[in-house]
Amino acid sequence: EILLTQSPGTLSLSPGERATLSCRASQYISSTYLAWYQQKPGQAPRLLIYGASTRATAIPDRFSGSGSGTDFTLTISRLEPEDFAVYYCQQYDDSPPSYTFGQGTKLEIK
Amino acid sequence: QVHLQESGPGLVKPSQTLSLTCTLSGDSISSGGYYWNWVRQRPGKGLEWIGFIYKTGSTYANPSLKSRLSISVDTSKNQFSLTLRSMTAADTAVYYCARGVGGYYAGVWTYFYDYWGQGTLVTVSS
Repeated sequence: EILLTQSPGTLSLSPGERATLSCRASQYISSTYLAWYQQKPGQAPRLLIYGASTRATAIPDRFSGSGSGTDFTLTISRLEPEDFAVYYCQQYDDSPPSYTFGQGTKLEIK
Repeated sequence: QVHLQESGPGLVKPSQTLSLTCTLSGDSISSGGYYWNWVRQRPGKGLEWIGFIYKTGSTYANPSLKSRLSISVDTSKNQFSLTLRSMTAADTAVYYCARGVGGYYAGVWTYFYDYWGQGTLVTVSS
């Protein structure tokens, strides 16, 4: 079973600052199988990034994803007030078919 | 516009069986190469994949839940369902259904969830 570890657990930043969120896999995963989601309180998660670096439809270009192998990063270039939320990475495993989520990073206003 | 809606009881007694249904609108479960997923989130915790079903009826489950879990699909009603037996307080959670994209998409072989239901809170209590 592949485990995903996200860091930091909580990130305190101010609007306008740059946010860098990490997702580390316990073993190699295909970058095309890595996705990022944003979740706000009381809401379902929303897809931000798939294939490690491709923005989903209507996602602002201040969100970007990168990485390969075991280390992946979600970057928010300039934080807007609506970006403060919890972020999850997710990976798909072929054998057996399954999904795993990281434990999440809470991005809070400093 | 694709829309997913969970339905089922908000309260289940310990040892009983939970049955939830996810109804799809704006698309057909029979069309496309999508995987129909269940995900849960315990209060104040992260997301946990429960399992998924393909339109053919093939299912895959989280090993931690596999012995208690059944997932089925009813293409005539455009619905898929979850059954979780022997419920305990540890199963108290918001349960989400989600559409999983799997395969060749926009030039990439990839997997992700593009649409989610709003979620339904299930509490296990006597």
